[in-house]
Amino acid sequence: EVQLVESGGGLVRPGGSLRLSCVASGFTLSGYAMNWVRQAPGKGLEWLAYISPSRDSIYYSESLKGRITVSRDNARNSLYLQMDSLRVEDTAVYFCARRRAVGVATTYFDNWGQGTLVTVSS
Amino acid sequence: DVQMTQSPSSVSASVGDRVIITCRASQDISDSLAWYQQKPGKAPKLLIYAASTLESGVPSRFSGSGSGTDFTLTISSLQPEDSATYFCQQANTFLLFTFGPGTRVDIK
Repeated sequence: EVQLVESGGGLVRPGGSLRLSCVASGFTLSGYAMNWVRQAPGKGLEWLAYISPSRDSIYYSESLKGRITVSRDNARNSLYLQMDSLRVEDTAVYFCARRRAVGVATTYFDNWGQGTLVTVSS
Repeated sequence: DVQMTQSPSSVSASVGDRVIITCRASQDISDSLAWYQQKPGKAPKLLIYAASTLESGVPSRFSGSGSGTDFTLTISSLQPEDSATYFCQQANTFLLFTFGPGTRVDIK
């Protein structure tokens, strides 16, 4: 069974940093591109970052570019999201999601973790 | 960025009703569109990809159609367990990824 488990969320002050982790099981992480998606309380879904299996393609949402860094360690079956200069508006549940590729140029999110809550507040 | 809109923002229908949700993209995305279902406190669940392909295990009362800029998700006979919020997603990797604002489906 495919499982994705996020961790690392919590309360952080504005301007602070946080590193989120996502551990994969039930499949070989090195065979899949991965993504981070977030959802502010009561709001919609916002894609944040994409990383290819070998890290040769990395994409970021323009709105967060420069403040987030996605990385992965396939040997540890883990995906990471480093978030810096956090703002109150970054308060959200952060999900990792596996890419389903249909052809070369499409990305669907076929498996999701349960999410980890990040609260940015003074 | 490709902007995605959805209508209606919410719908209330009875068990057995047909429910149609529409999604519009700000530019042609061919059939690079997915639909997700999300229940409160849970992660989204992939229902349909490539505009009309049903994900494995998803009931056949769900169907998707459309191409280019206009897409629809149809629930042919609404069931109590279909109460959720539904999101569309633009899936063209070169355009990056955007979600629609969501449509909340309630059971009367």
